[in-house]
Amino acid sequence: DAGVIQSPRHEVTEMGQEVTLRCKPISGHNSLFWYRQTMMRGLELLIYFNNNVPIDDSGMPEDRFSAKMPNASFSTLKIQPSEPRDSAVYFCASSYALTSGRTSTDTQYFGPGTRLTVL
Amino acid sequence: EDKVVQSPLSLVVHEGDTVTLNCSYEVTNFRSLLWYKQEKKAPTFLFMLTSSGIEKKSGRLSSILDKKELFSILNITATQTGDSAVYLCAVDKGRGRPLHSGGSNYKLTFGKGTLLTVNP
Repeated sequence: DAGVIQSPRHEVTEMGQEVTLRCKPISGHNSLFWYRQTMMRGLELLIYFNNNVPIDDSGMPEDRFSAKMPNASFSTLKIQPSEPRDSAVYFCASSYALTSGRTSTDTQYFGPGTRLTVL
Repeated sequence: EDKVVQSPLSLVVHEGDTVTLNCSYEVTNFRSLLWYKQEKKAPTFLFMLTSSGIEKKSGRLSSILDKKELFSILNITATQTGDSAVYLCAVDKGRGRPLHSGGSNYKLTFGKGTLLTVNP
């Protein structure tokens, strides 16, 4: 398997522009997570989906951030409008959780991240 | 407010040394604690701990959880230069059944990490 795929790997944009980050989870995984990492705040969970449904978005910093998962193999994180303080590395991770009472894998597999710089 | 605090923030050792990394937490609805290793890329999973006093081991790495005192340690013995990385601790405070028992509700709060540098 190719692992979790994220695009772009790097993006530099100007303040006020819309930014869309993309993630393709590992095939067969049913949980997807978006994280943001900065020097000041470390690694923060922004939102996660289970079976394409957003379960908890309490980590999303504000209304400028939105995430979608239209199908099991694709998710987007959008920032509109972007601000310099959004500059960070954004990671997507996926995992597989059984829902019928048997032990499930507890490993989240991370993508390579998207380094976003907002000028 | 939920807190996950790691110490030390940074550590420099020589190859062959043993290190202990600390993670303390204050969260509601604690379910499990996870350790990750991050090099110059995405974090990779190391351990998940749910029960007090049960050591998990993988090669030279081991970890244990104390749910009474609300902390965990990650030990690395006979360190190598390849162990140089940021080690992240995260606490899962999801509701319902834990992920490892078939649940699907999952929320991680991360500490800021410990930067470990192992010199030859």
